[in-house]
Amino acid sequence: EDKVVQSPLSLVVHEGDTVTLNCSYEVTNFRSLLWYKQEKKAPTFLFMLTSSGIEKKSGRLSSILDKKELFSILNITATQTGDSAVYLCAVSGNTGKLIFGQGTTLQVKP
Amino acid sequence: DSGVTQTPKHLITATGQRVTLRCSPRSGDLSVYWYQQSLDQGLQFLIQYYNGEERAKGNILERFSAQQFPDLHSELNLSSLELGDSALYFCASSVLAGGGDTQYFGPGTRLTVL
Repeated sequence: EDKVVQSPLSLVVHEGDTVTLNCSYEVTNFRSLLWYKQEKKAPTFLFMLTSSGIEKKSGRLSSILDKKELFSILNITATQTGDSAVYLCAVSGNTGKLIFGQGTTLQVKP
Repeated sequence: DSGVTQTPKHLITATGQRVTLRCSPRSGDLSVYWYQQSLDQGLQFLIQYYNGEERAKGNILERFSAQQFPDLHSELNLSSLELGDSALYFCASSVLAGGGDTQYFGPGTRLTVL
């Protein structure tokens, strides 16, 4: 059965800290892994990863995929209160449907 | 703003009723997906349409149906509503039909069944 497991489920840090969010998966015919940020509304796209070992970066956020070990990490450096959100990991196989993990709730305190 | 639009934003109705949720994909996207997000189940895939044809189905209830029209907008019909159908319903769109393409999400419709 296809599944995605994220850890930790919740995290509380202070501004300026660095955090690492984890995502492990099992999916038939893996095609891509996506990270989204959700703040009380629609999931906002962050990254899509398809190849192992290639880091994707956007400002203070970065992500990498390991297709051999079936996991991905999302790093956020120098966290800000605006980073507080639920971070969702999702994978797709041959069909377009996304299978989501439970999400990691990040709270950044001033 | 992802470019995906959904109406209405909020819907409050009673058990046993029928509602229709509407989605317009981003310009140029041919694929539309419907997802349900509830507190206990997280984000769950319901159904996908590509260029007017049903492409994939998830754990969608028989009381639910969807279609994609020639102008590519999509509608999700929910009938014989139950309390447990209360949830956020998201539409997403992408260019391609298969995996490996980015899906952009609309703002969602919050359905409350009383």
